[in-house]
Amino acid sequence: KAGVTQTPRYLIKTRGQQVTLSCSPISGHRSVSWYQQTPGQGLQFLFEYFSETQRNKGNFPGRFSGRQFSNSRSEMNVSTLELGDSALYLCASSRGHAEEKLFFGSGTQLSVL
Amino acid sequence: AQTVTQSQPEMSVQEAETVTLSCTYDTSESDYYLFWYKQPPSRQMILVIRQEAYKQQNATENRFSVNFQKAAKSFSLKISDSQLGDAAMYFCASVGGATNKLIFGTGTLLAVQP
Repeated sequence: KAGVTQTPRYLIKTRGQQVTLSCSPISGHRSVSWYQQTPGQGLQFLFEYFSETQRNKGNFPGRFSGRQFSNSRSEMNVSTLELGDSALYLCASSRGHAEEKLFFGSGTQLSVL
Repeated sequence: AQTVTQSQPEMSVQEAETVTLSCTYDTSESDYYLFWYKQPPSRQMILVIRQEAYKQQNATENRFSVNFQKAAKSFSLKISDSQLGDAAMYFCASVGGATNKLIFGTGTLLAVQP
């Protein structure tokens, strides 16, 4: 069974640009969550999608958005990039219940110059 | 609101010895779950162990076990017979209520000395 796949692994952008990150969950998983990891703020929840609907949202500005497709694949978009958006973005999938184990991808390392 | 606190930024253990990583949490939820995740240099988060709050029995997974003290809101991880491959960042996390939102602690970097 293939794991959670995130693309790209690395990304370099400049301030003001926008970026789209992709996450393909494990087959059969309907929930996809996104987390931002930085040395200063640690791991922070961005949002969760379940069956194409945003089910939970963290405390991030509206520049951070996402969506989920009918095949459960998810994309995360960040518009008007700022230097502080430089981070490792992790995606996790599960069948959707809170008590379940989350399966994480290897992340996308975003650097904003 | 939920919070998770890990007070040990770094720990070190000799190979084959035992080490305990500390974690405290706070939650207003009556139904919640606690986790320990491991993040090796590959960056992929891997579940080490999970504890249901309604279960009094401490969870165990091979060399990994927890000491869950519900009244004290404490959830420590014990690693027995430490191996070089255990070297990683360890995160304590909680989830509660109807949400799938994991709240993570700041992590403990574990070094294993040969």
